[in-house]
Amino acid sequence: AQTVTQSQPEMSVQEAETVTLSCTYDTSENNYYLFWYKQPPSRQMILVIRQEAYKQQNATENRFSVNFQKAAKSFSLKISDSQLGDTAMYFCAFQGGGGADGLTFGKGTHLIIQP
Amino acid sequence: DGGITQSPKYLFRKEGQNVTLSCEQNLNHDAMYWYRQDPGQGLRLIYYSQIVNDFQKGDIAEGYSVSREKKESFPLTVTSAQKNPTAFYLCATWTGALHSGNTIYFGEGSWLTVV
Repeated sequence: AQTVTQSQPEMSVQEAETVTLSCTYDTSENNYYLFWYKQPPSRQMILVIRQEAYKQQNATENRFSVNFQKAAKSFSLKISDSQLGDTAMYFCAFQGGGGADGLTFGKGTHLIIQP
Repeated sequence: DGGITQSPKYLFRKEGQNVTLSCEQNLNHDAMYWYRQDPGQGLRLIYYSQIVNDFQKGDIAEGYSVSREKKESFPLTVTSAQKNPTAFYLCATWTGALHSGNTIYFGEGSWLTVV
């Protein structure tokens, strides 16, 4: 079974700073996807970014980018020019096994952006 | 308007009662999922269904039951056997197949509280 570990329960940075959230995972599979989801106080799960394991190039979405290290099984999220609206829980998630078995989530990191 | 509709948003259960959470989707996705989220925790998989009339237990299926009689619908019943049902419940669907458009969509969730 896969496991996903987020070692930072909470982080706090000043607005406009850059912050990196850590995620490691354990799997014996070679073909899989990794995701970062944002969950604001509304509890809606919002997809932030997606990485395909067979792609060496790190995914980017505007101010969000990942550092995907397949051999180290590491998948960190970098948020540049952080904004007050980035305050939320962030979850790292793994999808393997052909995809149909669903996602395995980490316990989340509560990110607080200070004005 | 396409998406996933969960109802009710808030539900209160008395001790010994069974309650059913509704999940309806018009995305034409085959795969559907139920996740449970406890405070300060990540999401944990309860049940999933890859196709109509078929479903599989997830990591925490005890005390829950599901049905999948229609593609659009995947209701979750929280039975009296679930001793600690107070949590936030999220329904999700999957586009299917691991390709560049691979996405898991989430509903807005349902809060269940035991009174």
